[in-house]
Amino acid sequence: DAGVIQSPRHEVTEMGQEVTLRCKPISGHDYLFWYRQTMMRGLELLIYFNNNVPIDDSGMPEDRFSAKMPNASFSTLKIQPSEPRDSAVYFCASSFNAWNTEAFFGQGTRLTVV
Amino acid sequence: DAKTTQPTSMDCAEGRAANLPCNHSTISGNEYVYWYRQIHSQGPQYIIHGLKNNETNEMASLIITEDRKSSTLILPHATLRDTAVYYCIVKDNNNDMRFGAGTRLTVKP
Repeated sequence: DAGVIQSPRHEVTEMGQEVTLRCKPISGHDYLFWYRQTMMRGLELLIYFNNNVPIDDSGMPEDRFSAKMPNASFSTLKIQPSEPRDSAVYFCASSFNAWNTEAFFGQGTRLTVV
Repeated sequence: DAKTTQPTSMDCAEGRAANLPCNHSTISGNEYVYWYRQIHSQGPQYIIHGLKNNETNEMASLIITEDRKSSTLILPHATLRDTAVYYCIVKDNNNDMRFGAGTRLTVKP
């Protein structure tokens, strides 16, 4: 397996534009996590899914952020409209459905909103 | 939201053991202790995890105190490539994984 795949690796967009980040989890994994990392706030859990169903989205900063998982092999994180303070590295991770197994992270998407 | 506390930074000499402490005094009986590290701007990488017994794998050893309120990650022979931010987290059966600030380990030649 190629691991967790995120796209794009880098994204530069203008304030007000819609941004869509994509994630392909490891095949067979039941859990999918979205994180945001900034220097100021560290690594924040935004939302996670179990079997394509959102379990906890309390970390989603505001209504401009939305996440979907239409099937077991694909998830998106959308920001509309984007703002400069959304600039960060966004990570996706996946794991099996057990709390005694590790999660695997993608390489991240570096988002810059200008 | 993180349930753990770690020192902000630590230094270690190359070739020596690096011992990274973590406090998780509110851990409950069904929560595992996990360690991850993040090298530069890469995605976090899993290192090791445990429930109550000490664990060892090819990367590190994990020592958990008998009361489970703290643990120590041991890198037996640190190399320059072990320079990274090390995160200790506890995970419950909801699979909720929240990271704290971690410990920035610098391995010096």
